[in-house]
Amino acid sequence: DSGVTQTPKHLITATGQRVTLRCSPRSGDLSVYWYQQSLDQGLQFLIQYYNGEERAKGNILERFSAQQFPDLHSELNLSSLELGDSALYFCASSPVAGLQETQYFGPGTRLLVL
Amino acid sequence: EDQVTQSPEALRLQEGESSSLNCSYTVSGLRGLFWYRQDPGKGPEFLFTLYSAGEEKEKERLKATLTKKESFLHITAPKPEDSATYLCAVQAGSSYKLIFGSGTRLLVRP
Repeated sequence: DSGVTQTPKHLITATGQRVTLRCSPRSGDLSVYWYQQSLDQGLQFLIQYYNGEERAKGNILERFSAQQFPDLHSELNLSSLELGDSALYFCASSPVAGLQETQYFGPGTRLLVL
Repeated sequence: EDQVTQSPEALRLQEGESSSLNCSYTVSGLRGLFWYRQDPGKGPEFLFTLYSAGEEKEKERLKATLTKKESFLHITAPKPEDSATYLCAVQAGSSYKLIFGSGTRLLVRP
């Protein structure tokens, strides 16, 4: 158990809908990262937050957004969902936002868009 | 463009049959190379971090090594419970993100 928690574990929804994925980092960690894992693309970095502020962005779609709250939990919002958004979404955390820090991953949220 | 390639894609071993997994990388300014283990439907589990060429780390039956172009994950006398996908990731330059390879699916048969 990495100490990172994610809810829900599974999510089934329809195209065009909006969902919110939640992540709580390890105790004491200030940095949160979101990754998407699909069969054809592997693990892809989406976005990073550090102590409430956006720090880095990857290939995140405009339909996706995220935020980190004062208690350091983070939410990833996915809107206007398409079939291709079906994937595993992972959150990871690290102590600060330093280079060379190990990122610890949560159990993931499996999203299925029908 | 930064790139990470893992080989083989899949590997079948008999219990006790040692082998190595390869991770080759092309990046500008390697900051760290990370090995993770992932079981089906679960999140990646951290194994090792390597920072500079020549560095080696061990944990039970696993040993990770790093050169300037690649990393190896050596598995000595594997057991069926070592069956999983092994992921390699790099962090490079001034970027905090991890760039992952596509993984090696390892199956160890009793």
